Amino acid sequence: EAGVAQSPRYKIIEKRQSVAFWCNPISGHATLYWYQQILGQGPKLLIQFQNNGVVDDSQLPKDRFSAERLKGVDSTLKIQPAKLEDSAVYLCASSLVGRDEQFFGPGTRLTVL
Amino acid sequence: SQQGEEDPQALSIQEGENATMNCSYKTSINNLQWYRQNSGRGLVHLILIRSNEREKHSGRLRVTLDTSKKSSSLLITASRAADTASYFCATSNDYKLSFGAGTTVTVRA
Repeated sequence: EAGVAQSPRYKIIEKRQSVAFWCNPISGHATLYWYQQILGQGPKLLIQFQNNGVVDDSQLPKDRFSAERLKGVDSTLKIQPAKLEDSAVYLCASSLVGRDEQFFGPGTRLTVL
Repeated sequence: SQQGEEDPQALSIQEGENATMNCSYKTSINNLQWYRQNSGRGLVHLILIRSNEREKHSGRLRVTLDTSKKSSSLLITASRAADTASYFCATSNDYKLSFGAGTTVTVRA
């Protein structure tokens, strides 16, 4: 079974630029999560989708971050414009509906200069 | 804000020894999970313990949960070099995880 796919694996941008990350969850997993993991910290939930609907985006900085999951499968997370403090690993995870175990992708390491 | 706090922040042990790390949390939970993260990679689910359970085993892993103290512990027995990683506890409510800052475990050969 293929795992959660994410791309790119690494991205370096200048502050005020835009960046987008892509995630393809495990087939059949209706629930998809985006996390931000700053160096030395645990992951922090940014947004949770179920199919193509948002379940929770209370911790998403909506002035600069946006996410979509238009067809209920893969998802894109965008940052526009990026700030220095956005440097982090962005992790995507998926799960079956009603199941607690989450499966994580390898993450995208973002460096904002 | 992060719900769980792991202790210690870092742990260095000899291969074959046991490793114990603790997690404290603040609010009520549905369940508590432990994840492992190898350097530069995503997280891997290790074990889940529900709020009505006190102890659970999986291979060389033993997890305890004390809801009255709002704490959990993870024991890795007979450690191996491949156990070198960061370990995170995550409390779960409504299928949303709140992670602690993790314990970094180094197993020396």
